[in-house]
Amino acid sequence: AQTVTQSQPEMSVQEAETVTLSCTYDTSESDYYLFWYKQPPSRQMILVIRQEAYKQQNATENRFSVNFQKAAKSFSLKISDSQLGDAAMYFCAYRTREESGSRLTFGEGTQLTVNP
Amino acid sequence: AAGVIQSPRHLIKEKRETATLKCYPIPRHDTVYWYQQGPGQDPQFLISFYEKMQSDKGSIPDRFSAQQFSDYHSELNMSSLELGDSALYFCASRYAGGGMNTEAFFGQGTRLTVV
Repeated sequence: AQTVTQSQPEMSVQEAETVTLSCTYDTSESDYYLFWYKQPPSRQMILVIRQEAYKQQNATENRFSVNFQKAAKSFSLKISDSQLGDAAMYFCAYRTREESGSRLTFGEGTQLTVNP
Repeated sequence: AAGVIQSPRHLIKEKRETATLKCYPIPRHDTVYWYQQGPGQDPQFLISFYEKMQSDKGSIPDRFSAQQFSDYHSELNMSSLELGDSALYFCASRYAGGGMNTEAFFGQGTRLTVV
């Protein structure tokens, strides 16, 4: 079974600075997807960024980028120019490449605080 | 754009009562997932449906059942409610047919409180 681990329960960053959230995972599969989801106080789950395991290039979405190290099974999220609205719980998640019914497996989450 | 609709948004039930949570996926999405998120916890997968058939099952108690109807909406039925069932229940939907690997979109969740 796949597992996802986030070893940082809480992180904080100053507004406009950069922060990196860590995630490791365990799987025996070679092809899969990795995600970062953001859950603000509203509790809505919002997809931040997605990485396909067969792609070597790290995904980037505006101020959000990942460092995907497949051999090390590591998938960290970098948030640049942090904004107050980035404050949220961030979940790392894994999904197989199956076409149907494949579940998301989440890590424990990292609570990010952005200080003004 | 249409999103995943969950109803009700909030629900308060007493122990041993029954609750029904509803999920209306994004139009043309053929897959629905249910997740349970306890206080301070990560979402835990309960069950999923693809084209109205159960496609995967997670840590769903026997007291819970779910189905997906012909119009693709889904309902999660919870019986003999316990205090520990108090949680945020998410529904997510995606289009998985035709070899596409689109992403799941989450609803805003139903907050169930059992008293």
